[in-house]
Amino acid sequence: QLQLQESGPGLVRPSETLSLTCTVSGGSISSTNYYWDWFRQPPGKGLEWVGSIYYSGSTYYTPSLKSRLTISVDTSKNQFSLKLSSVTAADTAVYYCARHAPSVAIDYWGQGALVTVSS
Amino acid sequence: QSVLTQPPSVSAAPGQKVTISCSGSSSNIGANYVSWYQQLPGTAPKLLIYDNNERPSGIPDRFSGSKSGTSATLGITGLQTGDEADYYCVTWDSSLGAVVFGGGTKLTVL
Repeated sequence: QLQLQESGPGLVRPSETLSLTCTVSGGSISSTNYYWDWFRQPPGKGLEWVGSIYYSGSTYYTPSLKSRLTISVDTSKNQFSLKLSSVTAADTAVYYCARHAPSVAIDYWGQGALVTVSS
Repeated sequence: QSVLTQPPSVSAAPGQKVTISCSGSSSNIGANYVSWYQQLPGTAPKLLIYDNNERPSGIPDRFSGSKSGTSATLGITGLQTGDEADYYCVTWDSSLGAVVFGGGTKLTVL
């Protein structure tokens, strides 16, 4: 059974960089036809796609965050990571890592990690 | 404001049926598969329906999905109190080059 687990600091200062890692277990991140995703959900609000990466390194970012966002993959560690620079309070959210098939069927999700941006 | 439009809330009595609509455009729902997710309070979303109308293993047939043109619908029959959750529709938007969500619908089982 595939499992995804987010890890990283729960508190980030404004203007700094938010960094999260997703560790995949029970399967290979190099599986063909699957994309590895980051989503986020601000407190009390709906879900938002942040971006996705394929094991080859191809990336897809939501337009509104593209200038501040970097998603990378480390196939040797079966991990992928998110870096969001110049954060503000508006970036406070539960961040989820996940996997999706080409039809955007998001079949596995991590439990989520709350990241608060505050001084 | 979400790219896909869902009603903010729906409600029905236990045992009854409810439908949740998801409206989009020709560049998203009209051109791509739709999936649906259930999010219970404090938990990660769970895939209910993919490829418009397919259920993953383990999802009861009380849940169904359909798509027509630029709209999609999630149906839930035999409502149970455990179905109380937020429900989201998702698809790819070919013009935006992005995964897009509906704003979510809160289901209350009265």
